[in-house]
Amino acid sequence: SQKIEQNSEALNIQEGKTATLTCNYTNYSPAYLQWYRQDPGRGPVFLLLIRENEKEKRKERLKVTFDTTLKQSLFHITASQPADSATYLCALATSGGYNKLIFGAGTRLAVHP
Amino acid sequence: NAGVTQTPKFQVLKTGQSMTLQCAQDMNHNSMYWYRQDPGMGLRLIYYSASEGTTDKGEVPNGYNVSRLNKREFSLRLESAAPSQTSVYFCASSTGTRGGDNEQFFGPGTRLTVL
Repeated sequence: SQKIEQNSEALNIQEGKTATLTCNYTNYSPAYLQWYRQDPGRGPVFLLLIRENEKEKRKERLKVTFDTTLKQSLFHITASQPADSATYLCALATSGGYNKLIFGAGTRLAVHP
Repeated sequence: NAGVTQTPKFQVLKTGQSMTLQCAQDMNHNSMYWYRQDPGMGLRLIYYSASEGTTDKGEVPNGYNVSRLNKREFSLRLESAAPSQTSVYFCASSTGTRGGDNEQFFGPGTRLTVL
């Protein structure tokens, strides 16, 4: 069956370090992969989208990679700040069909001063 | 520009009661979605509407019905609530109707408890 896995354990890092979050998938051939941020009690907020033919995408301190051979995406936050503390969700979509996303359960990131 | 709004924010129901969750967007988006989010699980799609006048089932549609009232509004109805429907419900919208290459904009959520 189709499956998306994100680390269920929280990731704790020190301020200023690079946070790296992982999204693995099986039995999917996604054409698009999106990352969202979710703060407690709020709805997810879109961060980045990467297409299957793109290896890497950057936006300010954020970087996403997409390896269709490994079936994995990595999400990096450089020079992390306590304000980056949140849950990060990855979501996949296949080409064709409607704009339906399949979400992972998310990884909670805690950045400590 | 309010984005995606949802009402109510919180609701407690007894088993068997019915209710409608309201969602509206002011971004002129074509597609709208209803998700539920349970602890330890990803957002799961209940129903979606690719355009005004169309709706389709997502991953977990049982026990729910939807109405795309117009381009702005997409409501979710629980006809006979069950404890298994205790969850946080999110409405979302996006510009495009196909492909997965459009970001989705989410509302603040409705926290529903069924006793």
